[in-house]
Amino acid sequence: AQKVTQAQTEISVVEKEDVTLDCVYETRDTTYYLFWYKQPPSGELVFLIRRNSFDEQNEISGRYSWNFQKSTSSFNFTITASQVVDSAVYFCALRGSNYKLTFGKGTLLTVNP
Amino acid sequence: GAVVSQHPSRVICKSGTSVKIECRSLDFQATTMFWYRQFPKKSLMLMATSNEGSKATYEQGVEKDKFLINHASLTLSTLTVTSAHPEDSSFYICSAGAGGGGNEQFFGPGTRLTVL
Repeated sequence: AQKVTQAQTEISVVEKEDVTLDCVYETRDTTYYLFWYKQPPSGELVFLIRRNSFDEQNEISGRYSWNFQKSTSSFNFTITASQVVDSAVYFCALRGSNYKLTFGKGTLLTVNP
Repeated sequence: GAVVSQHPSRVICKSGTSVKIECRSLDFQATTMFWYRQFPKKSLMLMATSNEGSKATYEQGVEKDKFLINHASLTLSTLTVTSAHPEDSSFYICSAGAGGGGNEQFFGPGTRLTVL
């Protein structure tokens, strides 16, 4: 069975602070994919990143960076110099061999001006 | 990127009526479409997986007679909530994939259903 745990239910920061959203996963598959999505108040899911299990290289995209640690089954997401527009619910998700996405419970990020 | 639309975006209906939600892949052919349900402040829960031309596969605990899914073409899947009740009120999101484990699912904007 697959499981994704986002232990942080809510995080509140002040603009320009850095913030890290944690994600820990469980799977028996040797090949799997990890995702992060952003869900603003409008409800639409915005795709942020996909990582496959064989690629442990960290990735940076502008103010966003991701740290994939297979040894600890973690795929953490960091936003540097946060902005008010970053306020949203962020979901980490896992897809294994059955092609089904398993979502974490999400982390509500509030960035205050 | 690939675009998935959902219609309607919002619907309010009376208890006992049926509601149909459409999910369309606009610029690609979706061999597989997924339907999710999201309660307020909760995560997305997969309801069913539909493959074009075949019966949908429902997740455990999802009533197939209550949530009818039809994937009639490679660009359209529909979810019909039959005899809706207030507890069916939720945010329904579809996603479409072109197949293959390496391809991400493209999500629709969601449909907010309110049953009075």
